[in-house]
Amino acid sequence: DQQVKQNSPSLSVQEGRISILNCDYTNSMFDYFLWYKKYPAEGPTFLISISSIKDKNEDGRFTVFLNKSAKHLSLHIVPSQPGDSAVYFCAASAQQGAQKLVFGQGTRLTINP
Amino acid sequence: DAMVIQNPRYQVTQFGKPVTLSCSQTLNHNVMYWYQQKSSQAPKLLFHYYDKDFNNEADTPDNFQSRRPNTSFCFLDIRSPGLGDAAMYLCAVQRGAGNIQYFGAGTRLSVL
Repeated sequence: DQQVKQNSPSLSVQEGRISILNCDYTNSMFDYFLWYKKYPAEGPTFLISISSIKDKNEDGRFTVFLNKSAKHLSLHIVPSQPGDSAVYFCAASAQQGAQKLVFGQGTRLTINP
Repeated sequence: DAMVIQNPRYQVTQFGKPVTLSCSQTLNHNVMYWYQQKSSQAPKLLFHYYDKDFNNEADTPDNFQSRRPNTSFCFLDIRSPGLGDAAMYLCAVQRGAGNIQYFGAGTRLSVL
């Protein structure tokens, strides 16, 4: 049972445009969500997070939106840059307990010049 | 400078031959995690330590063991690697609860 799903394995966006990566979850106990970025041969790097008490969090070019009723979150990158080409993982955790992260399968984002 | 260091970056072992992967951290964080990631799949949590308390995931095979001799180091022991254990193994650290997990670069394990 996959509790966190990223339904798009890949996404291609033109440089300068907006990239939108989507993530859905099923467990209503999740209340903290993170996005990680991963380059080949490197470990995942934390990008941005959001708590369930918010519906939006912004950090520079990166904005995460959370829709709790739909159990959906998205990451917006604007403007997209070639260095943004990477695999993006969505992850979720419940604040109670051991803080374990449950990851989605990842979306490979390619920014085209 | 890397804060979570995994060694080796690439490990080749033979079917059934025990192998140990290591993880060290310079952050002095009290929680350490081991994840397994197979190609095009989500990282899957194997176990974690909260200080010295070991927490095993219910579906982690008995073939996988872990040791944490001190705050800085954590080891993943695979007692009898099978072909299905070939994967990227990721170590992560976290300062207490509700904070960011920081990952190492991973060890890619091949089983021949």
